[in-house]
Amino acid sequence: QVQLQESGPGLVKPSETLSLTCNVSGYSISSGFYWAWIRQSPGKGLEWIGSFFHPGSTYYNPSLRSRVTVSADTSKNQLSLKLISVSAADTAVYFCSRLDSSWFPAHWGQGTLVTVSS
Amino acid sequence: DIQMTQSPSTLSASVGDRVTITCRASQTVSSDWLAWYQQKPGKAPKVLVYHASRLGSGVPPRFSGSGSGAEFTLTITSLQPDDFATYYCLQYSSYSNTFGQGTKLEIK
Repeated sequence: QVQLQESGPGLVKPSETLSLTCNVSGYSISSGFYWAWIRQSPGKGLEWIGSFFHPGSTYYNPSLRSRVTVSADTSKNQLSLKLISVSAADTAVYFCSRLDSSWFPAHWGQGTLVTVSS
Repeated sequence: DIQMTQSPSTLSASVGDRVTITCRASQTVSSDWLAWYQQKPGKAPKVLVYHASRLGSGVPPRFSGSGSGAEFTLTITSLQPDDFATYYCLQYSSYSNTFGQGTKLEIK
């Protein structure tokens, strides 16, 4: 059974870069399936950030495309998220997910809260 | 982007009731790639229905999904205490997938 665990700083200053890691166990990222980052904030609800397919196909939410990078380190079996130039609007719980073969998010991490504040 | 509008935003019901939540898309959702999720406080969403009407693994049959094109519904028959939560729809027919804003199901 695949398991996902997000980690990273809980506090990021405005204008800086948010960097999160998702440790994956029970399945190898390089073996297939799409992987995604999704966030949830009180103001905007659930929002799709971007998707990744090994070895390097990515798809990003158009509203975030200029600021976001999703990648994977297959040697560590980790998915990564980088979001530059953050503001308070980026305060949210960030989830990583593995999509099912039918293309919907089927497996989720427990989420990690990131607060953007000085 | 396809915009998803859920209604109602809040729903009050009693144990044993039958409830319906609706999700309307701003355009046709290709292949009816529409999922429904249940979320409880502090937890990740859990898939209930995918491809509009297929029940997720281990999901009780009191949950059902229907609809096609741009209008979809989630029905819960005979509400159980564990069902009081927030429900979201998700269209995953485009690379920029979008969620509905959620429906909070409360105990009356």
